[in-house]
Amino acid sequence: GAGVSQSPSNKVTEKGKDVELRCDPISGHTALYWYRQRLGQGLEFLIYFQGNSAPDKSGLPSDRFSAERTGESVSTLTIQRTQQEDSAVYLCASSHRGPSSYNSPLHFGNGTRLTVT
Amino acid sequence: RKEVEQDPGPFNVPEGATVAFNCTYSNSASQSFFWYRQDCRKEPKLLMSVYSSGNEDGRFTAQLNRASQYISLLIRDSKLSDSATYLCVVNPGGGSQGNLIFGKGTKLSVKP
Repeated sequence: GAGVSQSPSNKVTEKGKDVELRCDPISGHTALYWYRQRLGQGLEFLIYFQGNSAPDKSGLPSDRFSAERTGESVSTLTIQRTQQEDSAVYLCASSHRGPSSYNSPLHFGNGTRLTVT
Repeated sequence: RKEVEQDPGPFNVPEGATVAFNCTYSNSASQSFFWYRQDCRKEPKLLMSVYSSGNEDGRFTAQLNRASQYISLLIRDSKLSDSATYLCVVNPGGGSQGNLIFGKGTKLSVKP
């Protein structure tokens, strides 16, 4: 079946512009996660959705970052007034149940590579 | 102390070698543990979960030591295709179900 789909795959934007990143999770997966990975670095947690609500948004780095999820499906991560330090690969993942379940691994999308010039 | 710590490597080993990675975590209440694998410029993929009693999947063995707060991954008879970065992942738990904390990864390079 279809995996996690992210769009766009690449985005180049000028500093100060807003960007929207989209994630289509695997159908039926209730949990959805956003992570950020800078070049040569580990994964940095941003936000987690269970259904359409976000019980954990502790990783959002500033108020320029926001995310929403609708229909227990598609999620959008919005970065306002982008800065050069926002350049990274933004990875979305979904799982059938929440993060504590052993039988519910994360399935990642291919990511959106964001470059802020 | 960082939440999840791994030796970044790289571990350079010949084909057929046995190699072991360790990972330590800071939150003693952590609930579940995983190893993911990430190939260069690719997304992470689940390699195996780590159960309290330890578990094995073919050439891969995972162990959990709650008392010392570390998990390990052993790879026997290394293949060229095992070359990747291995990510230690911990769910610290918490009221909001927490989130999955990823280590920065240990890079493995298997040489012919």
